[in-house]
Amino acid sequence: DAGVIQSPRHEVTEMGQEVTLRCKPISGHDYLFWYRQTMMRGLELLIYFNNNVPIDDSGMPEDRFSAKMPNASFSTLKIQPSEPRDSAVYFCASRSEDSPQEAFFGQGTRLTVV
Amino acid sequence: AQSVTQLDSQVPVFEEAPVELRCNYSSSVSVYLFWYVQYPNQGLQLLLKYLSGSTLVKGINGFEAEFNKSQTSFHLRKPSVHISDTAEYFCAVKGGSYIPTFGRGTSLIVHP
Repeated sequence: DAGVIQSPRHEVTEMGQEVTLRCKPISGHDYLFWYRQTMMRGLELLIYFNNNVPIDDSGMPEDRFSAKMPNASFSTLKIQPSEPRDSAVYFCASRSEDSPQEAFFGQGTRLTVV
Repeated sequence: AQSVTQLDSQVPVFEEAPVELRCNYSSSVSVYLFWYVQYPNQGLQLLLKYLSGSTLVKGINGFEAEFNKSQTSFHLRKPSVHISDTAEYFCAVKGGSYIPTFGRGTSLIVHP
C-alpha cells in the first residue's frame, strides 16, 4: 500500500477563498483522522471518522471548517472562507480496527492563507 | 482525561553524543504510550510504542524508551545520535479513548 495520501502537498490561497484538502486513507482502514499542526498549538485533532461516519468533530475550530468522507477511500477537509490564522500543516491519518494502537500519517498539506 | 508534557521544546546535541527526550503523561486509566518522529516536510512516523509487558521498549533507528509508571514518564533515548536523527519528536498517550493525545513536540537538532 502507498500509505495515506494527501493532496495537495502545499496550498497558498488568498484570504476569503475556499480551500479543500484531500485524503486517501490506507485501504481497509476503518478510522480516519484530521489533525492540524501549528507552532502555537502543536498537533490538534480536528475530527475523526469511523466507517465513513463522523464520530467526534469537537476539535473543528469554527463553522468555516467542514469535513466529509463520502466513501471508505476518500475524505475532504474544507475551509470556507479561509483566514490567515488557518495557516498550518494539516495531517490526515488512518488506522485499522484490527490494529488500534498504530495510526499511519500522511505527509501533510501545508496551507498558507495570505 | 489524559495529557502529555514534553519538557523540552528543543534539544541541541552533537553527533555521536547520547540524547534523552523527556515525556511525562497523566491519565486516570491504564495507558498506551507512543513516540512518533516527524522529519522535515514529512508526516509522523511511529518510532516505538509501549502497550504492556517489558517497560523498556526498543524502536527503529536505535531508539528506545522506558515506561516508568511511578514517575508517569516515557523518556526516549538513543546512545549515539546521527545527523539524520534531526527531526521533531512527539510523545503520545492513549488511555480510555480511541484517540491518542500528542505532546507539543521536541525538536532534536544534531550538530556535526
